[in-house]
Amino acid sequence: TQLLEQSPQFLSIQEGENLTVYCNSSSVFSSLQWYRQEPGEGPVLLVTVVTGGEVKKLKRLTFQFGDARKDSSLHITAAQPGDTGLYLCAGESTPGNQFYFGTGTSLTVIP
Amino acid sequence: NAGVTQTPKFQVLKTGQSMTLQCAQDMNHEYMSWYRQDPGMGLRLIHYSVGAGITDQGEVPNGYNVSRSTTEDFPLRLLSAAPSQTSVYFCASGSTGELFFGEGSRLTVL
Repeated sequence: TQLLEQSPQFLSIQEGENLTVYCNSSSVFSSLQWYRQEPGEGPVLLVTVVTGGEVKKLKRLTFQFGDARKDSSLHITAAQPGDTGLYLCAGESTPGNQFYFGTGTSLTVIP
Repeated sequence: NAGVTQTPKFQVLKTGQSMTLQCAQDMNHEYMSWYRQDPGMGLRLIHYSVGAGITDQGEVPNGYNVSRSTTEDFPLRLLSAAPSQTSVYFCASGSTGELFFGEGSRLTVL
């Protein structure tokens, strides 16, 4: 049973479009992270959100943690081909312990 | 700065064979974990450890054993490989709010 569900599973968009990826769970997490993975490599941390309702921005990427600390979203503005990759959310069960990952969203940005 | 190092990168086994995937980290992290990644399934937690001498099961522990004798090393053992264990395996270490991953080990069981 996957603790975290991501949607959509696949996303193919044109360069310049906006998109949102969702990460949902019935569990409460002490923090939630977003990672990006390139083919043949391990995931790389993009951001960590800790406080319910928290919003963080990383250039064209905006991350939000739900008020109840059960869900999160990733919004990309004006997507570029370099944004192509697998995006994974992960929930931290207790601080420094048990990180559970979502099912992943494979994003393709077409030039 | 090596970070998390996994070996081997590729391995082919026959059903019933045993092997160990090695993982070492040089960041002095107490937390280490093993994941498997299959298409459409994201990363699933196999086993994790919160410090030397302490290990626990994750979501999919069956068929895998781990031990943590030092802070640096966290090997994953397959005692009798099965085709269902064909996957890409990732080791990760970390602290509160962040994980660092190795490059992965691609295992094929025939």
